[in-house]
Amino acid sequence: DAGITQSPRYKITETGRQVTLMCHQTWSHSYMFWYRQDLGHGLRLIYYSAAADITDKGEVPDGYVVSRSKTENFPLTLESATRSQTSVYFCASRRDRVGYEQYFGPGTRLTVT
Amino acid sequence: KNEVEQSPQNLTAQEGEFITINCSYSVGISALHWLQQHPGGGIVSLFMLSSGKKKHGRLIATINIQEKHSSLHITASHPRDSAVYICAVGAQGGSEKLVFGKGTKLTVNP
Repeated sequence: DAGITQSPRYKITETGRQVTLMCHQTWSHSYMFWYRQDLGHGLRLIYYSAAADITDKGEVPDGYVVSRSKTENFPLTLESATRSQTSVYFCASRRDRVGYEQYFGPGTRLTVT
Repeated sequence: KNEVEQSPQNLTAQEGEFITINCSYSVGISALHWLQQHPGGGIVSLFMLSSGKKKHGRLIATINIQEKHSSLHITASHPRDSAVYICAVGAQGGSEKLVFGKGTKLTVNP
């Protein structure tokens, strides 16, 4: 029962490179979320998905792309990484629309040099 | 002004002390969440509540909907309680999104 996993856990990349962060959950939860966590800002929502093939922007979507072809996977792509995207990224899932807890993945620490 | 404000930002306590962390919010909510994040670690959901009080072990969470305020209490604190505690709210009307406070860093010394 892996729950929710993220890969890679750590990534160093160069400015301008494309990077994809993976998120996989085994519960068949409808909702999945991508957050970034930065000092002084707390957690901020990048994108979320209500179901396969349904995604929507969050608070800070610029520079990111998501897709959700399967319920269990929700990859986040940085199309051309910038130093300002250095952060810790958390994926989360939730069973349904409201009234349920969110479960967070272990996080991916991304450094853009 | 952030929609979710936590206080204090940092808290240092001695083992055994009673801890209180506060969360105030400015919007109508469907639910409030308390999360825990250990240093370098992942984020764990402690409580989700929309009214009243919940208790789990030494942790107690309360919410006052009229005053738009919630508290997280830790009784008989222990060094392993050292973590960042995060308050998050889901807006009324069933918004899919959570709004997060910036967290309270708790350090419990032996």
